[in-house]
Amino acid sequence: DADVTQTPRNRITKTGKRIMLECSQTKGHDRMYWYRQDPGLGLRLIYYSFDVKDINKGEISDGYSVSRQAQAKFSLSLESAIPNQTALYFCATSDVPGLHTDTQYFGPGTRLTVL
Amino acid sequence: LAKTTQPISMDSYEGQEVNITCSHNNIATNDYITWYQQFPSQGPRFIIQGYKTKVTNEVASLFIPADRKSSTLSLPRVSLSDTAVYYCLVALTSGTYKYIFGTGTRLKVLA
Repeated sequence: DADVTQTPRNRITKTGKRIMLECSQTKGHDRMYWYRQDPGLGLRLIYYSFDVKDINKGEISDGYSVSRQAQAKFSLSLESAIPNQTALYFCATSDVPGLHTDTQYFGPGTRLTVL
Repeated sequence: LAKTTQPISMDSYEGQEVNITCSHNNIATNDYITWYQQFPSQGPRFIIQGYKTKVTNEVASLFIPADRKSSTLSLPRVSLSDTAVYYCLVALTSGTYKYIFGTGTRLKVLA
């Protein structure tokens, strides 16, 4: 979805390096999310933010940190990258859910390789 | 926390109707059911969402029985471009965020 952009799209780095993945959205949504996807597996939630002042850990937050710089921007950092963090990373956004409704809009993904 | 179980893979032929069933035995009162589609190297895309009975949109139908312990995504007259992974999720509308993707169902549409 072009309304959710991620940079970089591909990144190769070395063990121990600090890496930042950035996500921007123009949908005006308050809620933003970071997921990782490993080959052949589903997506796992790393962190989520319901507004600029709200940050929450997901299933697999160890080794990651996030920053919500503005409503439209949500960054994911790997403080000291390790090879098992090699994965496809997705950012997503959503509006405040209605009664029994909630839709997430995903970015194109960032393919990260840690050597 | 509601978990979902789906078939790992399915094959179909063009023009057929495809039904993918998802089991969610521990679904809670406020949980609703959502299906996403994912093509290789792309982010998931929302298909349909429902709470009970039947929901239909321009691309799919979602059937949810009264006990809500399962749901079925129905894709009418599939084409080759429907080859993708389909995820069933359950999620709360409020409170602590719980939105868990499983491994999904890999649908392959054959000519």
